[in-house]
Amino acid sequence: QVQLVESGGGLVKPGGSLRLSCAASGFTFSDYHMSWVRQAPGKGLEWVSYISSRATSADSADSVRGRFTISRDDARQSLYLQMNSLRAEDTAVYYCARGQPRYLGWFDPWGQGTLVTVSS
Amino acid sequence: EIVMTQSPATLSVSPGQGATLSCRASQSVSSNLAWYQQKPGQAPRLLIYGASTRATGIPARFSGSGSGTEFTLTISSLQSEDFAVYYCQQYNYWYTFGQGTKLEIK
Repeated sequence: QVQLVESGGGLVKPGGSLRLSCAASGFTFSDYHMSWVRQAPGKGLEWVSYISSRATSADSADSVRGRFTISRDDARQSLYLQMNSLRAEDTAVYYCARGQPRYLGWFDPWGQGTLVTVSS
Repeated sequence: EIVMTQSPATLSVSPGQGATLSCRASQSVSSNLAWYQQKPGQAPRLLIYGASTRATGIPARFSGSGSGTEFTLTISSLQSEDFAVYYCQQYNYWYTFGQGTKLEIK
């Protein structure tokens, strides 16, 4: 079945870096746009970054632009999020989510999430 | 940025009753709107896309309506498993989520 599994979360100091991974299975990964969405403790959902199928385009929310970089490896069926210059306000559960093949579209499914904690 | 506003923030309803959740966009998003359900400790689950199309496996008691800037998620005859937080999301221009409506047992 279609599955997304995130990894790479953990505790990091302010100013530090972390790389999240998302392993996809059960579908043709290269056909789909992919995104990262985060949720701070007790808060709502915030879209973070997007990458198109075959990585022809990518973009991020203003809150992370210039600090976070999304990438994908279609051969490995994997999505990544390189997070640099981390701040306390980046503390959140980070979800990997599958978009749609030909347009932005809705997210389905979502991974189980990986927790990133930024604290000294 | 398109701002999505959900109301109410919390809705208290008895099991077996119906519930109506609202979502408003700051500008038209056409029918490019989705609804998600999230339970504690779980990832969000897609319920509705295209404003009114139920996702695979979603019970018929969930229905969505609206277009442009005003949208509604209606849940008829609430079951115990329906008490959760619900988010709307526009995908007409990038992505933004509403702040969520918590549906709690009365």
